[in-house]
Amino acid sequence: LAKTTQPISMDSYEGQEVNITCSHNNIATNDYITWYQQFPSQGPRFIIQGYKTKVTNEVASLFIPADRKSSTLSLPRVSLSDTAVYYCLVGEVGNKLTFGGGTRVLVKP
Amino acid sequence: KAGVTQTPRYLIKTRGQQVTLSCSPISGHRSVSWYQQTPGQGLQFLFEYFSETQRNKGNFPGRFSGRQFSNSRSEMNVSTLELGDSALYLCASCSGPYQETQYFGPGTRLLVL
Repeated sequence: LAKTTQPISMDSYEGQEVNITCSHNNIATNDYITWYQQFPSQGPRFIIQGYKTKVTNEVASLFIPADRKSSTLSLPRVSLSDTAVYYCLVGEVGNKLTFGGGTRVLVKP
Repeated sequence: KAGVTQTPRYLIKTRGQQVTLSCSPISGHRSVSWYQQTPGQGLQFLFEYFSETQRNKGNFPGRFSGRQFSNSRSEMNVSTLELGDSALYLCASCSGPYQETQYFGPGTRLLVL
């Protein structure tokens, strides 16, 4: 399983863009990159998934460089309700995914 | 479509007892995974079932077991509870055999006294 490294925590302010970078140097050819969001005492919620280049949905964007050794989750114009823990997962479709420590994002007013 | 449901939501047990947690996946989903979340260890994978068969298993002692029924509902059992088993137990379901997107339930918070 590819190991991921994320910052432990990040602070931001309402209305700003938050970018969280995840390192996965030993990502395998068949691995996908998936991001989840988790609020206290709730289950993680799927945000976005990608394989290469850029993926965008109504919630976030995911940027993956050509070497795929890292990825960046971009949250545009965050609000207080975006305060949560964000997990980066890397794994092959069909195999169990391992959650790392996640990045605790605090959005301040 | 209803989401993943877990029962009970909260549970208090004493050391040595056993507990059974239940998970109902999203209708049509056949894969169910279980996770344990604690402040110290984070989210740890317990096991995954697909079509009533355990496909993957994490590094937990044999006191932790599970099963899946023909309707895809799953149960998790922990025997001889220890204080360290206090945690949030999360269940997640996927629509097919591949864990592309997991949908998590609200979890069962277990407190062992």
